[in-house]
Amino acid sequence: AQTIHQWPVAEIKAVGSPLSLGCTIKGKSSPNLYWYWQATGGTLQQLFYSITVGQVESVVQLNLSASRPKDDQFILSTEKLLLSHSGFYLCAWSLGGGRDEQYFGPGTRLTVL
Amino acid sequence: GEQVEQLPSILRVQEGSSASINCSYEDSASNYFPWYKQEPGENPKLIIDIRSNMERKQIQELIVLLDKKAKRFSLHITDTQPGDSAMYFCAASGPSSFSKLVFGQGTSLSVVP
Repeated sequence: AQTIHQWPVAEIKAVGSPLSLGCTIKGKSSPNLYWYWQATGGTLQQLFYSITVGQVESVVQLNLSASRPKDDQFILSTEKLLLSHSGFYLCAWSLGGGRDEQYFGPGTRLTVL
Repeated sequence: GEQVEQLPSILRVQEGSSASINCSYEDSASNYFPWYKQEPGENPKLIIDIRSNMERKQIQELIVLLDKKAKRFSLHITDTQPGDSAMYFCAASGPSSFSKLVFGQGTSLSVVP
């Protein structure tokens, strides 16, 4: 069975500080991976997707970047946090190849002060 | 790009009655329509989905209807229980090598005794 982990569980960071969030999926090779952002009380906004190692496409940037250094790892980062970056960051995976079902990881709660 | 409108934003129903949530989309090429349930502080969970080759799908108390001509789809929860109280999100995506889900704004469902 596939399992998806995100780290850290929660972060409190200062405006202007750097950020790195991680996502690992086990039990499935070459999944499609996605990053989403959800403001408190808001909807889900897809930020990035990756179909294969080393390739990441931006959907909405929000002054963030993403990388996929390994088949099972997806990283979201920025060098300078903004107040508007606060929210819930969710990693998701799908099988790809026409299989559209997406399954979300547990998420990281980010508070920028 | 695709846009998804979801109504109502807040829904309050009596336990044992039915709840209905409606979504509309703009892109006639969209062919996959999932529904997610999100409880407070948790990640969204995929509860049911429908593809454009179907008009109706049922999983236990959940019914999804799709009207491609009107570009509308809906979720119906029959015999609601307090455990059905949560945020519900509809989404849509079109044919692609990756699943670019566009989410509705969400419906907060409360089931009261």
